[in-house]
Amino acid sequence: DADVTQTPRNRITKTGKRIMLECSQTKGHDRMYWYRQDPGLGLRLIYYSFDVKDINKGEISDGYSVSRQAQAKFSLSLESAIPNQTALYFCATSTGVGQPQHFGDGTRLSIL
Amino acid sequence: QKEVEQDPGPLSVPEGAIVSLNCTYSNSAFQYFMWYRQYSRKGPELLMYTYSSGNKEDGRFTAQVDKSSKYISLFIRDSQPSDSATYLCAMTFNDYKLSFGAGTTVTVRA
Repeated sequence: DADVTQTPRNRITKTGKRIMLECSQTKGHDRMYWYRQDPGLGLRLIYYSFDVKDINKGEISDGYSVSRQAQAKFSLSLESAIPNQTALYFCATSTGVGQPQHFGDGTRLSIL
Repeated sequence: QKEVEQDPGPLSVPEGAIVSLNCTYSNSAFQYFMWYRQYSRKGPELLMYTYSSGNKEDGRFTAQVDKSSKYISLFIRDSQPSDSATYLCAMTFNDYKLSFGAGTTVTVRA
């Protein structure tokens, strides 16, 4: 089984809909992250969380919200989806300072 | 100017060739450097992780960091078709934010 699991893997939806992407991990890491990946732009950080009570905005948080339900679960919501939020979304986990992050296989989200 | 610049590619090489991938960066505070490999429809997978300047070798892969020039490289020796993927460089100086290059797509021709 994958250490970092994202659901759904693919989603097509319409403008204005609320969408939730889910991430769960079995690595036992405290730190969890949400990224989006766009061609030519690389990975950009949306939100990150160091523990259940510590959630922080990343560089592109507008239009997104998150919930850390447990150490192992971190969800990303698009409150009212818009077409320019069409992208690949990745969840990642890590341990301490300077440590590498470990990624799930992503959610391909298309907003029509 | 982006904080991390990566050669855009794409790169196509014959099987057995040496693949050379490069990134430059502007923030001299970066001290942890990573290379990730990403196959189509998969998440980035950690390939190499280095701290500060110097070389690190792992099998057919060698990572080099030159902090004085703000330049990192990844070399793949004896490349195989299974090495065909997008390679991302990443770096950080603090405990949450990784700065990524945009990625270089590599194709190894059999």
